[in-house]
Amino acid sequence: TQLLEQSPQFLSIQEGENLTVYCNSSSVFSSLQWYRQEPGEGPVLLVTVVTGGEVKKLKRLTFQFGDARKDSSLHITAAQPGDTGLYLCAGVVGARTYKYIFGTGTRLKVLA
Amino acid sequence: ETGVTQTPRHLVMGMTNKKSLKCEQHLGHNAMYWYKQSAKKPLELMFVYSLEERVENNSVPSRFSPECPNSSHLFLHLHTLQPEDSALYLCASSQGGLGTYEQYFGPGTRLTVT
Repeated sequence: TQLLEQSPQFLSIQEGENLTVYCNSSSVFSSLQWYRQEPGEGPVLLVTVVTGGEVKKLKRLTFQFGDARKDSSLHITAAQPGDTGLYLCAGVVGARTYKYIFGTGTRLKVLA
Repeated sequence: ETGVTQTPRHLVMGMTNKKSLKCEQHLGHNAMYWYKQSAKKPLELMFVYSLEERVENNSVPSRFSPECPNSSHLFLHLHTLQPEDSALYLCASSQGGLGTYEQYFGPGTRLTVT
């Protein structure tokens, strides 16, 4: 069974702190995406990474795709209360398939 | 507002009822998806429609029956559900294939089966 494990599962930090969320699997992904979901809404795409070793930045968020395309990380610098939400990684297993799986999720709360 | 709407937003139904969930996308996309999000499991892809044709059915029980009459509308017909089917059902659409093109999600229908 393909599984995307995220860690930590829950995270509560003070405004201004840095944090890293991890997404790990034993499977190789042709691409991997990160989403943020807020209560009462569906997930919203933050980034897509495709190439092993790729690093993408979105303001205070830095995303990295592992060299072997089996893992990814999301680093937030100087977290703000607006960053609060459920962070999900997701990816297509293999190529040209519809095997799209989501990670177990990281629930982040940033306190003012 | 993502351009994907879902109705109803909340639904309570008994195990013998029949109901339908509706999804509409106003983005001109050609692929639509149903997902199930429950408290204790990762978000699960249930069905994939591409150009109105079902291309993926991820071992979903037959008590869930999808319908895609055109590229803008997607339905999920429900009958004789079980309490463990209680979850948030999310619809999404995209311009192209999974993992490459951005999926736009609706707000979901919170389903409770009593």
